[in-house]
Amino acid sequence: GAVVSQHPSWVICKSGTSVKIECRSLDFQATTMFWYRQFPKQSLMLMATSNEGSKATYEQGVEKDKFLINHASLTLSTLTVTSAHPEDSSFYICSATAGRGEADTQYFGPGTRLTVL
Amino acid sequence: AQTVTQSQPEMSVQEAETVTLSCTYDTSESDYYLFWYKQPPSRQMILVIRQEAYKQQNATENRFSVNFQKAAKSFSLKISDSQLGDAAMYFCAYRSHNDYKLSFGAGTTVTVRA
Repeated sequence: GAVVSQHPSWVICKSGTSVKIECRSLDFQATTMFWYRQFPKQSLMLMATSNEGSKATYEQGVEKDKFLINHASLTLSTLTVTSAHPEDSSFYICSATAGRGEADTQYFGPGTRLTVL
Repeated sequence: AQTVTQSQPEMSVQEAETVTLSCTYDTSESDYYLFWYKQPPSRQMILVIRQEAYKQQNATENRFSVNFQKAAKSFSLKISDSQLGDAAMYFCAYRSHNDYKLSFGAGTTVTVRA
């Protein structure tokens, strides 16, 4: 099956520092990757859509200068939280799709828990 | 973005019994896809079942089945013979035919009583 990994699974950082989260599709080429944010007991909120080799498309209200997304290859997308603050603490989830057809499905990574002190 | 509504924040079911989770959505499109995802305590999102809107037949996956009512814009999930491992948060999601983005409902937390 399609497997998506994320690294790290959890990270604690000091306020003002930057944190990078990696999302990899392990057994397929992901033409499109998505980044979500999830607060406890809430739904997933889409932050941005990332296509390989092009700039990410951010959802309304998401600061693109704060959440930098790079999709450098067909198997890797990164999310960098710049100058992190405690309010950025959250669970970040990526997903990937191979874009092979209409019935294509998003496969999700296991998530990264970010805590900003 | 399309609106997906899950009106049941929590549901409880006895082990081996059946539980039905409701989902309604709002769209003007005729061709789209609907999904149910499960998020257990590990928080790994797992695809439970998928339905293409152009298919009249309801999708089934082992103990999981859906009741897709296109005219009513309803997409409920039935879990039969509930097991302790079914305890999780369940999300209904909508995907347009022309866009890979998913719109999620608020989720329903399912508790299974032994």
